[in-house]
Amino acid sequence: QKEVEQNSGPLSVPEGAIASLNCTYSDRVSQSFFWYRQYSGKSPELIMSIYSNGDKEDGRFTAQLNKASQYVSLLIRDSQPSDSATYLCAVQGGGSQGNLIFGKGTKLSVKP
Amino acid sequence: DAMVIQNPRYQVTQFGKPVTLSCSQTLNHNVMYWYQQKSSQAPKLLFHYYDKDFNNEADTPDNFQSRRPNTSFCFLDIRSPGLGDAAMYLCATSRELGGHEQYFGPGTRLTVT
Repeated sequence: QKEVEQNSGPLSVPEGAIASLNCTYSDRVSQSFFWYRQYSGKSPELIMSIYSNGDKEDGRFTAQLNKASQYVSLLIRDSQPSDSATYLCAVQGGGSQGNLIFGKGTKLSVKP
Repeated sequence: DAMVIQNPRYQVTQFGKPVTLSCSQTLNHNVMYWYQQKSSQAPKLLFHYYDKDFNNEADTPDNFQSRRPNTSFCFLDIRSPGLGDAAMYLCATSRELGGHEQYFGPGTRLTVT
């Protein structure tokens, strides 16, 4: 059973701080990794994709991937109250044509 | 703007009364997906279409069916909704299968009374 694990939180950080969200996955052959943001009652919104080991930065967001450790993370710099949401980690499973496997998400709360 | 559209946004149906949810896309993507998401849970893939080819997940109940009459539209039919089928239903698209980015529509919140 391929799995994606996330700490459910809530993760609470003060405004302006760095929020660090973590995700581990079980399928060693996974090649594609995604972070989605989901506000309460809304649908998931893609914020980052990462395919290679290392860091990928996009504005205040940095995704980090370590395939050897089967670990992917998302850093949010200068966190804002508007970043308060559930962050879903998604991992492509089952080979080159595999579908996404989602974690249950980490709820982030940014306090003013 | 290219997008994924779902209608209706909210749907109330009675126990056992068939219901159809619709999804359309202007992204011209080959793949369309249907997910079910319950509160505080991960989205659960029900099935997907790659062009006209239908792929059902092994654990998707027979009560759930789908149609894709053309590239732009995809429908989710729930033949006899039960109370346990109340959820958010999410449509997503991607250019190709595998590791391509998936883009979600706004979802349809289904209530079963």
